[in-house]
Amino acid sequence: RKEVEQDPGPFNVPEGATVAFNCTYSNSASQSFFWYRQDCRKEPKLLMSVYSSGNEDGRFTAQLNRASQYISLLIRDSKLSDSATYLCVVASYSGAGSYQLTFGKGTKLSVIP
Amino acid sequence: DGGITQSPKYLFRKEGQNVTLSCEQNLNHDAMYWYRQDPGQGLRLIYYSQIVNDFQKGDIAEGYSVSREKKESFPLTVTSAQKNPTAFYLCASSIERENGAFFGQGTRLTVV
Repeated sequence: RKEVEQDPGPFNVPEGATVAFNCTYSNSASQSFFWYRQDCRKEPKLLMSVYSSGNEDGRFTAQLNRASQYISLLIRDSKLSDSATYLCVVASYSGAGSYQLTFGKGTKLSVIP
Repeated sequence: DGGITQSPKYLFRKEGQNVTLSCEQNLNHDAMYWYRQDPGQGLRLIYYSQIVNDFQKGDIAEGYSVSREKKESFPLTVTSAQKNPTAFYLCASSIERENGAFFGQGTRLTVV
């Protein structure tokens, strides 16, 4: 089983639509969770952290279910500028005590006029 | 302004040559990372360093080497032993687990 799995998409949605991305992770000892956004041929940028209680930042809502090892990202009222690849990231401590980030392959979103 | 700087942005190398990619950060972050990204693929960890003078192999360290002589700097050398070096290389740094990691703009390496 892959460590972090995402639906690769692409998701093609009209402007104004609501779109949801899902992610599952295999390491039950994972500590922290994030969503990153990556534009074409650019570096990933941190979009938001994900907390068990759920968190919201404007049109973006992230949820974490530790029991199911599942993370989600909801984008409401999609804008053309939301078109990008969204990466699910899971952080954990290795046996040597080092902190590592594991990236999913990303889900590509295209918002269509 | 604080940030992570990678240079050069584009790099061309002849087969059989070693090349060093630069990564500098002025964020006072302890941890630094090198990732490789191939077209349509996720990020794969090459090497990481939690403190000065210490670093650990990631998932695909073969054919690469690093050093961490200063907190601010974490250069990556792509050696001639790396069979498929053409890729997008990303350097990142982090300070606390709750804050994720921040990336430089990347270096696109092409072997010609």
